Amino acid sequence: KQEVTQIPAALSVPEGENLVLNCSFTDSAIYNLQWFRQDPGKGLTSLLLIQSSQREQTSGRLNASLDKSSGRSTLYIAASQPGDSATYLCAVNQGAQKLVFGQGTRLTINP
Amino acid sequence: DTAVSQTPKYLVTQMGNDKSIKCEQNLGHDTMYWYKQDSKKFLKIMFSYNNKELIINETVPNRFSPKSPDKAHLNLHINSLELGDSAVYFCASSQDLGRTQYFGPGTRLLVL
Repeated sequence: KQEVTQIPAALSVPEGENLVLNCSFTDSAIYNLQWFRQDPGKGLTSLLLIQSSQREQTSGRLNASLDKSSGRSTLYIAASQPGDSATYLCAVNQGAQKLVFGQGTRLTINP
Repeated sequence: DTAVSQTPKYLVTQMGNDKSIKCEQNLGHDTMYWYKQDSKKFLKIMFSYNNKELIINETVPNRFSPKSPDKAHLNLHINSLELGDSAVYFCASSQDLGRTQYFGPGTRLLVL
């Protein structure tokens, strides 16, 4: 059974810092991996999707990496801003049928 | 235009009642999903439909019955509501299985 873990559960950093969020999964037989952000009381917004054959994806200040063999993904956020404050969720796509989510990292960027 | 919409946004009801949550997507996607986010914010898939056919049913009690009248809609009907059903229910859609999923704003269900 696939299990997805995100560490740390919460992170607080000063504005302007670069930071890394971690995601690990137990079964490397994945179809792809997706990073989302969730703002309080809101739905999820897709940030990046990495196919199992890819090593990384970039969108603006965000860079996601995938090491399938070791069961790890990281989300790198450059030059963090207060607007980046949210909960970041990692989700692994199993067999192109369902997403298995981690419990998220609650990120706070302090002005 | 809202890509994935859900109604109602909030739902407060008594134990034992039957309620429905509606979901619509205007993205032209073939696949739709229902997820449940519990009080600990843990998201778990409940159902997925591809071209109106049930693909995934994740050991959800049979009090929960999804219905897809067409590719743009996936509704969730819940019979005999229980306290433990209180959660946020999210609808999502994707172009097909395995593609980026787009989520609705969620329906906050509280069972008293």
